Amino acid sequence: EVQLLQSGGGLVRPGGSLRLSCAASGFTFRIYAMSWVRQAPGKGLEWVSAISGNGDVTYYADSVKGRFVASRDNSKNTLYLELNSLGADDTAIYFCAKDGGVAYYFDYWGQGNLVTVSS
Amino acid sequence: QSALAQPASVSGSPGQSITISCTGSSSDIGSYNLVSWYQQQSGKAPKLLIYEVIKRPSGVSNRFSGSQSGNTASLTISGLQAEDEADYYCCSYAGVRTLVFGGGTKVTVL
Repeated sequence: EVQLLQSGGGLVRPGGSLRLSCAASGFTFRIYAMSWVRQAPGKGLEWVSAISGNGDVTYYADSVKGRFVASRDNSKNTLYLELNSLGADDTAIYFCAKDGGVAYYFDYWGQGNLVTVSS
Repeated sequence: QSALAQPASVSGSPGQSITISCTGSSSDIGSYNLVSWYQQQSGKAPKLLIYEVIKRPSGVSNRFSGSQSGNTASLTISGLQAEDEADYYCCSYAGVRTLVFGGGTKVTVL
């Protein structure tokens, strides 16, 4: 059974940093690209970032480019997202998601982690 | 990249069929047959319903179907049931390994 277990959310002050983790099981982690998707309170979904299976290539939405860093440790089957220079607009539930393949869709999702940016 | 346009809400009676539209542009939906749809129940993570416009993952009811014409994709729910009440999101590949979601549609079963 595929599982994505997230950790690391919480309250952070404006300008601060936070790291989210997503521990994967039930599939060959290193083969699949992984993504992060966020959802501001009461709002829709926003794609944030993607990382290739071997971690060599990363992609970011313009809204987070230069501030967020996606990485992965395939020896630990874990995906990470480092959030830097956080602002109020970054307050959201962050979901990790497994890419379904080459067709750019997400077939499994983590439970989500709330990140609140507030002073 | 602008969000794809979805109606804010759609409603129907049990047993009826409803269709949710998702309008993009020639830069996203119109250029790729790579639209997916997700159902999000309140307080939960999204669930994949449709991928590659028309394909349904195993375990997803055949009451859900997808289609596309030009820059607009659509999700049809047939035989509407109370359990279908949720938010629904479309998503399209937008080139250069980026994706764009729709604003979401709240489905209400009357």
